[in-house]
Amino acid sequence: AQTVTQSQPEMSVQEAETVTLSCTYDTSESNYYLFWYKQPPSRQMILVIRQEAYKQQNATENRFSVNFQKAAKSFSLKISDSQLGDTAMYFCAFMKPLMIQGAQKLVFGQGTRLTINP
Amino acid sequence: ETGVTQTPRHLVMGMTNKKSLKCEQHLGHNAMYWYKQSAKKPLELMFVYNFKEQTENNSVPSRFSPECPNSSHLFLHLHTLQPEDSALYLCASSQDAASGYQETQYFGPGTRLLVL
Repeated sequence: AQTVTQSQPEMSVQEAETVTLSCTYDTSESNYYLFWYKQPPSRQMILVIRQEAYKQQNATENRFSVNFQKAAKSFSLKISDSQLGDTAMYFCAFMKPLMIQGAQKLVFGQGTRLTINP
Repeated sequence: ETGVTQTPRHLVMGMTNKKSLKCEQHLGHNAMYWYKQSAKKPLELMFVYNFKEQTENNSVPSRFSPECPNSSHLFLHLHTLQPEDSALYLCASSQDAASGYQETQYFGPGTRLLVL
């Protein structure tokens, strides 16, 4: 079974600093997708970034970038120039390949609570 | 309205009540999902519907009954719930899960349920 592990339950940094959130996963699949979602106090789950396992290039979205190490099954998220609005729970998620019926399963880690301090 | 909406946002119910959660997506997607988010546990997938057909039931108790009348609407009917069912229930949708391309799931704001 696929599992996703986020080893940092909580992190706290000062505004404008860079922070890296770690995520490891376990799978025997060769083709899959990885995601980072953020969940602010409003509870809305918002997509931050996604990475296809077959792509060697690390995904980037503005201040957000990932360090995808396929062999090590590691998928960390780096937030540069952190802002107060980045305060949220961050979830790493693994998407299983499509099944015959077309079901897609997202397997989530337990989350990292990130606080950006002024 | 845009994106994925859920109603109600908050719900308090007794163990003998019957209630329903509603999810609507305005993204033209074909697949819809129910997730449960409990305190101190990872999000758990409950049900998946693809083109209105249920393709996944992740060993969910029968006191939770999903319904998908069309690709834009998803319901979760609740009856005789237990206090441990108190959680945030999130709905998500994605485009064309049968196309062979693994699509991003977009989430609604959730319904916070409290069972007394």
